[in-house]
Amino acid sequence: ETGVTQTPRHLVMGMTNKKSLKCEQHLGHNAMYWYKQSAKKPLELMFVYSLEERVENNSVPSRFSPECPNSSHLFLHLHTLQPEDSALYLCASSQDLAAHEQFFGPGTRLTVL
Amino acid sequence: GENVEQHPSTLSVQEGDSAVIKCTYSDSASNYFPWYKQELGKRPQLIIDIRSNVGEKKDQRIAVTLNKTAKHFSLHITETQPEDSAVYFCAATQGGTGTALIFGKGTTLSVSS
Repeated sequence: ETGVTQTPRHLVMGMTNKKSLKCEQHLGHNAMYWYKQSAKKPLELMFVYSLEERVENNSVPSRFSPECPNSSHLFLHLHTLQPEDSALYLCASSQDLAAHEQFFGPGTRLTVL
Repeated sequence: GENVEQHPSTLSVQEGDSAVIKCTYSDSASNYFPWYKQELGKRPQLIIDIRSNVGEKKDQRIAVTLNKTAKHFSLHITETQPEDSAVYFCAATQGGTGTALIFGKGTTLSVSS
C-alpha cells in the first residue's frame, strides 16, 4: 500500500483501557507527525518526529505517549483517557521538517466512553 | 510561538463566483505557507503553497498571495464549482527553522449550484 496508512480506523475505548494507534508511511520521508482534530480545535499539532527523534511536544498530557521505532512507523499509546479526548487522530509525514508538503493518513476516529 | 488566524469560518458562494479566504500569522520568521483542503470524511490534502520569497502563486483556478510586511496571506478560488465545497486550512511554519506547521481553524466553503 502506498502513502500514509493508519490503524485502526475506528476505536472505542473505556477510560481505564490501554490502546495504541499505528501509523505507517511508505514514502521514504524523514519526519512524522501526530495531530488531533476535533470540532472545537481543528488540527492541533501533538508531536513531531524527525529521523526517529522527537523534536516537538506541544504540551500534550502524559496519557498520550508517542513512539517512533524507525522512520516509517509512528505509534501513539493511549492510557486512562478522558471523554474529551474523543477526536480524529491524524498522522502525517513529510520529506523533512515542516517546510515541505505533509501527507496525511486517513485518521483514527477515537471515542472514549 | 506562532499563532495563525483564519477568516471567515464559513463561506457560501454561488457556482461560478470567486471565494477568498484570509489568514494572518504572528511569527515574522515563518517562511512557508501551505493551504490544505479537507473534504467531508477525508484526509487533508495540500492544494497550493507559497514560500516567503514569493508574493503570489497560481495554479489554474487557485491562487495564493502573501504580504510579508502585513503578515497575511490569502487563498483565492475563481469560477467555483460544487466540488470545491470542503474545509480549507491555512498554515504557517513555526519560526524560521520550521519544525512544525501551525494551522488555522479552517473555513467551511459551500458552493451551491
